[in-house]
Amino acid sequence: GAGVSQSPSNKVTEKGKDVELRCDPISGHTALYWYRQRLGQGLEFLIYFQGNSAPDKSGLPSDRFSAERTGESVSTLTIQRTQQEDSAVYLCASSLARGPPAFGAGSRLTVL
Amino acid sequence: GENVEQHPSTLSVQEGDSAVIKCTYSDSASNYFPWYKQELGKGPQLIIDIRSNVGEKKDQRIAVTLNKTAKHFSLHITETQPEDSAVYFCAASKGAGSYQLTFGKGTKLSVIP
Repeated sequence: GAGVSQSPSNKVTEKGKDVELRCDPISGHTALYWYRQRLGQGLEFLIYFQGNSAPDKSGLPSDRFSAERTGESVSTLTIQRTQQEDSAVYLCASSLARGPPAFGAGSRLTVL
Repeated sequence: GENVEQHPSTLSVQEGDSAVIKCTYSDSASNYFPWYKQELGKGPQLIIDIRSNVGEKKDQRIAVTLNKTAKHFSLHITETQPEDSAVYFCAASKGAGSYQLTFGKGTKLSVIP
């Protein structure tokens, strides 16, 4: 079946602009995660959605970062007033309620 | 919070040899330990995982061992092939209720033909 789909695959933006990244999880997966991967680094947890529960936002690095999820479907990660240090690959993953996450290919963000 | 250390950061082996990657974790409450393989330009893919009630798990050429007392776990790849070349990440979580994973920084494995 279809895996986790992310768009855009690449995004180049100017410092100070807002960006939106989209994630389509695997159908039926109730849990959805966003991670950030800086060049040559491990994955850094950002936010976790599980069903209708309040999201776990404990990994968001600043109030410029926010994420929404529509039910158990699409999620968008928004970064406002982008900074150069926001340049990274943003990975989305989804899973069943109690299962390991399956990752998408990521959205590579470059802030000039 | 949880901290996961991974070693080595790079590893080169000859085709057919074995490769071992080691990780340590800090939170004794962690009970789920997956390993992911990430190829260039792709997202991480789960290759094997182990839970804290098991000491070892094997899947063909790949095996993972867990030492709860020492809080470390290792990935073993035998008979390495060029297609095993990738970045490997270990991770840890408390499992129940959330699979929020804490990742190591990765090991770049190169298998030399």
